Amino acid sequence: LAKTTQPISMDSYEGQEVNITCSHNNIATNDYITWYQQFPSQGPRFIIQGYKTKVTNEVASLFIPADRKSSTLSLPRVSLSDTAVYYCLVGGYNQGGKLIFGQGTELSVKP
Amino acid sequence: KAGVTQTPRYLIKTRGQQVTLSCSPISGHRSVSWYQQTPGQGLQFLFEYFSETQRNKGNFPGRFSGRQFSNSRSEMNVSTLELGDSALYLCASSLELAGTGDSEQYFGPGTRLTVT
Repeated sequence: LAKTTQPISMDSYEGQEVNITCSHNNIATNDYITWYQQFPSQGPRFIIQGYKTKVTNEVASLFIPADRKSSTLSLPRVSLSDTAVYYCLVGGYNQGGKLIFGQGTELSVKP
Repeated sequence: KAGVTQTPRYLIKTRGQQVTLSCSPISGHRSVSWYQQTPGQGLQFLFEYFSETQRNKGNFPGRFSGRQFSNSRSEMNVSTLELGDSALYLCASSLELAGTGDSEQYFGPGTRLTVT
């Protein structure tokens, strides 16, 4: 099973770039890596998903090294509204695969 | 289009009772996953249903069960409730099996279950 490890919390200031790294040493060959954002009392919201190398969308970038044992979510120029918990998810497609969320990283953006 | 809906939003039950929670996925989505979220354990995967079949299962006791109907709507049942079952139960839907490509999961607002 692919277990994930993330920092418990991070602090940043408005306008800075934030990088959150997730470790998943036991990732399986067919596992995708997905990141979610969650605000209090709301369900998680999809941010980005990738398999290898780099993926970029309008809100974030995801960097995955060749060995895929870690991934880094990059949030450019954060604002106060980016204050939330960020989860790294590694999923299994094969029968019996279990989806595991990391502990989550509580990001606090200050003015 | 309409998002994932869950009913009820809030529920209070007594130990020993059973409860059924409902989830309506986004139209066209075939996969429904259930998660339990507590302050101490975080988000934990319960199970996933795809085309009316349970495809994946987390490490929860048999008191937790679910099913999916032909219209992809899903229900989750918890029997013989315990105090520790108090949590936010989240449902997520996706086009394909979660964890595969094109499997972006859309979460509902959750059902807050309190067991007294």
